[in-house]
Formats: sequence, C-alpha cells, structure tokens
Amino acid sequence: DAGVIQSPRHEVTEMGQEVTLRCKPISGHDYLFWYRQTMMRGLELLIYFNNNVPIDDSGMPEDRFSAKMPNASFSTLKIQPSEPRDSAVYFCASLLEPTVSGANVLTFGAGSRLTVL
Amino acid sequence: GENVEQHPSTLSVQEGDSAVIKCTYSDSASNYFPWYKQELGKRPQLIIDIRSNVGEKKDQRIAVTLNKTAKHFSLHITETQPEDSAVYFCAAFSGYSTLTFGKGTMLLVSP
Repeated sequence: DAGVIQSPRHEVTEMGQEVTLRCKPISGHDYLFWYRQTMMRGLELLIYFNNNVPIDDSGMPEDRFSAKMPNASFSTLKIQPSEPRDSAVYFCASLLEPTVSGANVLTFGAGSRLTVL
Repeated sequence: GENVEQHPSTLSVQEGDSAVIKCTYSDSASNYFPWYKQELGKRPQLIIDIRSNVGEKKDQRIAVTLNKTAKHFSLHITETQPEDSAVYFCAAFSGYSTLTFGKGTMLLVSP
C-alpha cells in the first residue's frame, strides 16, 4: 500500500486566497483525521470522519475552515480566506476500525506545509 | 476532555546513555497509549504502543511502561544513538474524538 497520500506537499499563497489540501487514506481504512502542527500548539486534531461522515469538527478553528469526504478514498481541507496565522503543516491520517485484539495504528501522511504570506 | 502533559520538552544525552520521556493523562477511560517519533521535516511514525491491560512493553532498545493508577506512562530508550534524535510524541486514546497528543519532546543524542 502506498500509505496515506497528501497533496500538495508545499503551498505558498497570499492572504485572502483559497487553499485546498487533499488526502487519500489507506484503502480500507474507515477513519480519517486532519491535524495541524505548529511549533506553538503542537499537533491539533481539526476534524475526523468515520465512513465518510464527519464525526467531530470541534477542533476546526473557525468558519474559514471546512472539510469534506465525498467518498472513502478522498478528503479535502479547505481554508477560505487564508490568513498568515494558518501557516502550519497539515497532516492527514487514517485508521482501520480496530478489533478487540487489533492495534489502533494511526498512520500519517507526509503532510502539506502551508505558508500564507 | 483529555489532557496529556509531556516532559521534558527537550532532552540532551550522550550516545550510549538512556533517555526517558514521561507523560501524564487525565482521562481514566483512556486505554491505549501510542508513542510517535517525528524526524525533522517528516511525518510522525508509530514506534511503540501499549494498552491499558499491560504494564510494560519492550521492543529492542525501546520500552514503554504504564501506571494506570497514577495515570502516567513513560518511554525508555536505552543505548541511544544519533539516529534516535527526533521529536517524540506520546498520546492517550479513549475514543477517536479524544486522541490527544502531548506537546512533544525533542531528543538530541550527541556522538
């Protein structure tokens, strides 16, 4: 398996522009998470999906952020309009529903580094 | 919600020494505790994990201990090597909406 695939790997944009980050989870994984990582705040959970349905979006910082998962193999995180304080590395991660004896292995993508000027 | 505290924030050791990173959690319902290693510019990767029904788990030079009563767990790395230098994150997991990461520990291993 190619693992969790994210694009773009790097994005530089100007304040006010729309940013769309993309994620393809591991095939068969039924949970998908979006995290944001900064030096100041560490790893923050933004939102997660189960079977394409958003379950908890309490970590989404504000209405400028939105996430969708139209099917089991694709999710987007959109920021509109973007601001300099949104600059961070955004990670997507996926997980297979664990069995009683299974391991909850959360697998991260390589991340999308966003810089908003 | 869950709160995970991780200490120290930075740790410098000489090659060959041991390193210990400690985490505490607040939610007694947490039952799974993974540790992730993140090298500079790369993604976090799972290195070891432990479930609440186990007190200790070892994998070669790394081990994790868990004290459920005290609600703390620790990562132990023995015979450290320069390639162990990275940021290490602990996490506590009681349900998917409450997977909470610590702030991370930057480990520097000097040759």
